[in-house]
Amino acid sequence: DAGVIQSPRHEVTEMGQEVTLRCKPISGHNSLFWYRQTMMRGLELLIYFNNNVPIDDSGMPEDRFSAKMPNASFSTLKIQPSEPRDSAVYFCASTFDRVGGYTFGSGTRLTVV
Amino acid sequence: DQQVKQNSPSLSVQEGRISILNCDYTNSMFDYFLWYKKYPAEGPTFLISISSIKDKNEDGRFTVFLNKSAKHLSLHIVPSQPGDSAVYFCAASRSQGNLIFGKGTKLSVKP
Repeated sequence: DAGVIQSPRHEVTEMGQEVTLRCKPISGHNSLFWYRQTMMRGLELLIYFNNNVPIDDSGMPEDRFSAKMPNASFSTLKIQPSEPRDSAVYFCASTFDRVGGYTFGSGTRLTVV
Repeated sequence: DQQVKQNSPSLSVQEGRISILNCDYTNSMFDYFLWYKKYPAEGPTFLISISSIKDKNEDGRFTVFLNKSAKHLSLHIVPSQPGDSAVYFCAASRSQGNLIFGKGTKLSVKP
C-alpha cells in the first residue's frame, strides 16, 4: 500500500487566493482526519470524517475553511480566501474504525504571502 | 485548554544513554495513549501505545510507562541512537475517540 497520499507537498500562494489541499486515504480505512501543525499550537484536529460523512468540524478555524469527502478514496481541504496566518503544515490521516494509531500522510506545507 | 502537554520542547542525549520523554494529560477519561515520531518533511509515524489498563508496554528499545494517578506517561528509549533524533508527539484518546496531540518534544541524540 502506498500509504496516505497528500498533494501538493508544497504550496505557496498569495493572500486572498483559494487553496485546495488533497488527500487519498489508505484503501479500506473508514475514518479520515485533517490536522494542522504550527509551532504555537502543535498538531490540531481540524475535521474528521467517518464513512465519508463529516462528524466533527469544531476544529475548523473559520468559515474560510471547508472540507469535503465525496467518496472513500478522496478528500479535500479548501481555504478561501487564504491569509498569511493560515501558513502551516497540513496533515491528512486515516484509520479503520479509529482503533489504534492513525496513518499520516507526508503533509502539505502551505505558505501564504 | 491543552489536554495533553509536553512541557519540554527539546531534549539532548548522548548516544547509548537513555532518553526519557514526558507527557502529562488532564482528562481522566482518556483510556488510550500513543507516541508518534516525526522526521522533518514527513508525517508522524506511530511508535508505541498503551491502554489505561496497563502501566507499561515494551517494544524493543522503546518502553512506555503510564501513571494514571499522576496523569503522566513517559517514553523511554534505551539505548538512544542518532537515528532516534526526531520530534516525538504524545497523543491520547477516550473510548475510541479522536486523538489529542501534545505539541511535541524534539529529541537530539548526539554521537
